Amino acid sequence: QQQVKQSPQSLIVQKGGISIINCAYENTAFDYFPWYQQFPGKGPALLIAIRPDVSEKKEGRFTISFNKSAKQFSLHIMDSQPGDSATYFCAARGAQKLVFGQGTRLTINP
Amino acid sequence: EAGVAQSPRYKIIEKRQSVAFWCNPISGHATLYWYQQILGQGPKLLIQFQNNGVVDDSQLPKDRFSAERLKGVDSTLKIQPAKLEDSAVYLCASTPSGGLSSYEQYFGPGTRLTVT
Repeated sequence: QQQVKQSPQSLIVQKGGISIINCAYENTAFDYFPWYQQFPGKGPALLIAIRPDVSEKKEGRFTISFNKSAKQFSLHIMDSQPGDSATYFCAARGAQKLVFGQGTRLTINP
Repeated sequence: EAGVAQSPRYKIIEKRQSVAFWCNPISGHATLYWYQQILGQGPKLLIQFQNNGVVDDSQLPKDRFSAERLKGVDSTLKIQPAKLEDSAVYLCASTPSGGLSSYEQYFGPGTRLTVT
């Protein structure tokens, strides 16, 4: 019940395309859903986050779509750029703790 | 604002040896977390401190792992004795206390441990 399932494990997108990463959860007590971006040799960095009372949040080229009834949320990266190539983790917060998904390695081809 | 500092950045030890990692959180951040990130997986919480008290250590292998946070600031994580399966990146994160800002965790660069 504490798991967050993330897909796909890896994703290759052409420059300028849309990258979409999906996550699903079971625990309805989760109250905060962040996405983290991690470059090799670096720690995860917060990219964008959403609370469950909102269905969508957009910051620049990054959008979270949240479906509370389906217990799913996704990250959309518009106009994907080679600099977006990184590993992305979804997470869910419950009881002051974050539970992370397995990660998606995103590669943007120039 | 300085970020979360961790040292060393890399460590190679033999199995059954001991190792310690150090973390200095962002100034004023009351909550500190240690995570283990195995290659190809998401970070897994090991222990959470609020000031110098332990909030959650349910996933810390207490037979070999220990952690402390002296004076509610810096923290050390120790493994003794290390096993091959402890090879991972150990991440430290911190958050301020209270309000929505406490939801945002700031991560350090991590310490990559290799156990041979």
